[in-house]
Amino acid sequence: AQSVTQLDSQVPVFEEAPVELRCNYSSSVSVYLFWYVQYPNQGLQLLLKYLSGSTLVESINGFEAEFNKSQTSFHLRKPSVHISDTAEYFCAVKYSGGYNKLIFGAGTRLAVHP
Amino acid sequence: DAGITQSPRHKVTETGTPVTLRCHQTENHRYMYWYRQDPGHGLRLIHYSYGVKDTDKGEVSDGYSVSRSKTEDFLLTLESATSSQTSVYFCAISDSETQYFGPGTRLLVL
Repeated sequence: AQSVTQLDSQVPVFEEAPVELRCNYSSSVSVYLFWYVQYPNQGLQLLLKYLSGSTLVESINGFEAEFNKSQTSFHLRKPSVHISDTAEYFCAVKYSGGYNKLIFGAGTRLAVHP
Repeated sequence: DAGITQSPRHKVTETGTPVTLRCHQTENHRYMYWYRQDPGHGLRLIHYSYGVKDTDKGEVSDGYSVSRSKTEDFLLTLESATSSQTSVYFCAISDSETQYFGPGTRLLVL
């Protein structure tokens, strides 16, 4: 069965430190990959996505993720985090096929401390 | 932000009662989805729709039904609510590639 694994349920980090949130998916067939962010008591917001082309994708607030087909990974990174980055982050995969359905990982809670 | 609203935003109900949640979009997207979010599980797909009157089950559809009589509205019904359906419910809409999420409905079944 297709699945998405986020390897860390919680990641504590100090402000201005770098961070990596890890995501692996189960199949190397054609995929689209997404990272969503959820701030407390809010819905999910799209952070960035990989559809095709360059394997390194960036968001407007300094996050980036790299699609690695051989390792079936799509890890999210930021070189210097802010308090405002505290949120839950979800990795999601859309496999080829109909209806644009996504499979989500369980989420990683990023806690940025001063 | 994509034009998606959910109603109600919060609801408390009793076991055994029917509950209907509404998702409304102003984007005219073809695909609509209902998810539930529970700690440790991420988001799990309940039902989805690929057009008016065209719906199908997701991975956790037991105890839920849906209807879509208009492009803009997608209703989720808990036919007889149980405590295990206490959750946060999210609606999403999709163009050809990306899903966009509503603000969520927090449901408590006592």
